[in-house]
Amino acid sequence: KQEVTQIPAALSVPEGENLVLNCSFTDSAIYNLQWFRQDPGKGLTSLLLIQSSQREQTSGRLNASLDKSSGRSTLYIAASQPGDSATYLCAVKLWGGTASKLTFGTGTRLQVTL
Amino acid sequence: KAGVTQTPRYLIKTRGQQVTLSCSPISGHRSVSWYQQTPGQGLQFLFEYFSETQRNKGNFPGRFSGRQFSNSRSEMNVSTLELGDSALYLCASSLGLRTDPPDTQYFGPGTRLTVL
Repeated sequence: KQEVTQIPAALSVPEGENLVLNCSFTDSAIYNLQWFRQDPGKGLTSLLLIQSSQREQTSGRLNASLDKSSGRSTLYIAASQPGDSATYLCAVKLWGGTASKLTFGTGTRLQVTL
Repeated sequence: KAGVTQTPRYLIKTRGQQVTLSCSPISGHRSVSWYQQTPGQGLQFLFEYFSETQRNKGNFPGRFSGRQFSNSRSEMNVSTLELGDSALYLCASSLGLRTDPPDTQYFGPGTRLTVL
């Protein structure tokens, strides 16, 4: 059974800092890994999706890497801003099937302070 | 293009009651998936409906059921509510195609269910 863990559970950083969020998964036979952002009381917003054949994806100040062999992914946020405050979730999809049935991590709650 | 909508946004029920939640997918999307989010268990997959048929199912008891209509709107029903069913219920829609790579899911804002 695929298990996804995110460390740390919570993180507080001052504005402007670069930071790294970690995600680990137990079954390396993943199809893709996705990072989401969740604001309080809101649904999920997809940030980056990495296919199993890829090593990293970048979007603006965000960079996600994937190391399937070690079962790890990191989300790097450069020059953090208060607007980045949210919960960040990673989710993996195993081979086969459709876009559904994602297995989610427990999330990292990020607070960026002024 | 309108996003995924869920109704109601908030719901309070008592133990033993049943509840029905609704999800309207993005226009043109035929797949609707449901997830439960709790502080203890995190986000867990409930089931997926595609073209009015359940296509995938998570590990939840039979009290959790769903259906999908011909316009792709989906409802989720929970019978005999328990305190542990208190959660944020999210639905996500996608084209549902078995493409490589698979298409993207778009999530709704969720329905917050509180069971007293």
